[in-house]
Amino acid sequence: KAGVTQTPRYLIKTRGQQVTLSCSPISGHRSVSWYQQTPGQGLQFLFEYFSETQRNKGNFPGRFSGRQFSNSRSEMNVSTLELGDSALYLCASSRNYEQYFGPGTRLTVT
Amino acid sequence: QKEVEQNSGPLSVPEGAIASLNCTYSDRGSQSFFWYRQYSGKSPELIMSIYSNGDKEDGRFTAQLNKASQYVSLLIRDSQPSDSATYLCAVSESGGSNYKLTFGKGTLLTVNP
Repeated sequence: KAGVTQTPRYLIKTRGQQVTLSCSPISGHRSVSWYQQTPGQGLQFLFEYFSETQRNKGNFPGRFSGRQFSNSRSEMNVSTLELGDSALYLCASSRNYEQYFGPGTRLTVT
Repeated sequence: QKEVEQNSGPLSVPEGAIASLNCTYSDRGSQSFFWYRQYSGKSPELIMSIYSNGDKEDGRFTAQLNKASQYVSLLIRDSQPSDSATYLCAVSESGGSNYKLTFGKGTLLTVNP
């Protein structure tokens, strides 16, 4: 069974721009969660989607948003990028509580 | 603020020894507990999940949970150099949000040949 896929794997953006990241979950998994990983803060929960609805949300500003499509694929968007948004963005798909991570998207904001 | 605490390490053990990794959490109502392994430059990989008090064994790995003490641990028997990685403890939020995980900062394990 194919794992979680994320595109793109690497991104370089400039402050003030916006970015969209994509995640395809494991087949049959309907829950998709997004996390931000930085050396200082570690792994932090952004939000979780299930059946196209945001079910849980972390403590991030409104610049961070997401959505889920009917095929369970998910996207997250970050608007008005700041230098501090440079991080590894991880998507995880799950069924029965266990979350399986994709390879991540490395975002660098300059 | 819900917290998950782990010793940052590094924890260094010789090959063949038992590595013991510990984690405490602040949310008394948490129901789901996970251990992930993360190699440098890679994404976290789920290695164990545990939901009830006691021990759960899977191959060389044993997870232990004590909800009264708010304590989770991971034992790795017969440690191998390939086990060298950062181990992340993750705990679900109480109130039914089993998909909202809080992660510890991780413990770096080094297994010396």
